[in-house]
Amino acid sequence: QVQLQESGPGLVKPSETLSLTCTVSGASISSYYWTWVRQPPGKGLEYIGYIYYDGSSNFNPSLKSRVSMSVDTSKNQVSLKMTSVTAADTAVYFCARLWALNWFDPWGQGTLVTVSS
Amino acid sequence: EVVMTQSPATLSVSLGETVTLSCVSSDAIGTRVAWYQQKPGQAPRLLIQAASTRATGIPARFSGSGSGTDFTLTVSNLQSEDFAVYFCQQYNDWPPGYTFGQGTKLEIK
Repeated sequence: QVQLQESGPGLVKPSETLSLTCTVSGASISSYYWTWVRQPPGKGLEYIGYIYYDGSSNFNPSLKSRVSMSVDTSKNQVSLKMTSVTAADTAVYFCARLWALNWFDPWGQGTLVTVSS
Repeated sequence: EVVMTQSPATLSVSLGETVTLSCVSSDAIGTRVAWYQQKPGQAPRLLIQAASTRATGIPARFSGSGSGTDFTLTVSNLQSEDFAVYFCQQYNDWPPGYTFGQGTKLEIK
């Protein structure tokens, strides 16, 4: 059974960098695409981007200038970095497996990141 | 960018009823739609892929249909555990620009 677990600081100051890690168990990180999705409190879902183990990636155009992702195959982890955050970046951040570049399954439980001074 | 519009925003229904949720895409996307269920404080769970294929372990009371621009998720014989928010998602854009509908909340009448 594939399981994903997000981790990282729950509070980030405005203008700083948000850094999150997704640890995958039950599947090799090298076999699939991995993605990040966020959900502001009480709102809908927004695709952030995806990455493959070889480094190939794709990002939401609205976030592309501030987002990067990386893969650590030795730890079976995927990481997200988002620079110059503002209050608008406050959200629950989910990692998920992107099945054949189509749908998202399964998802991690999500981690709330609040941007505030 | 393909915009996904769900209706209604909220649906009040009773246990045992059958409900149909709507999702309309701004462009024709074939059957490249997935549906998810999200309960409070939980991650979304994949219900339907390719518009009508149930994901592994999803009960038969969940069914999806549609193609082109109009898609529906039907939940038959509503159970207490089905009260949640449901999202549709398209995966037709290239380069990939996955977008979600804003969600439909099923609440108990």
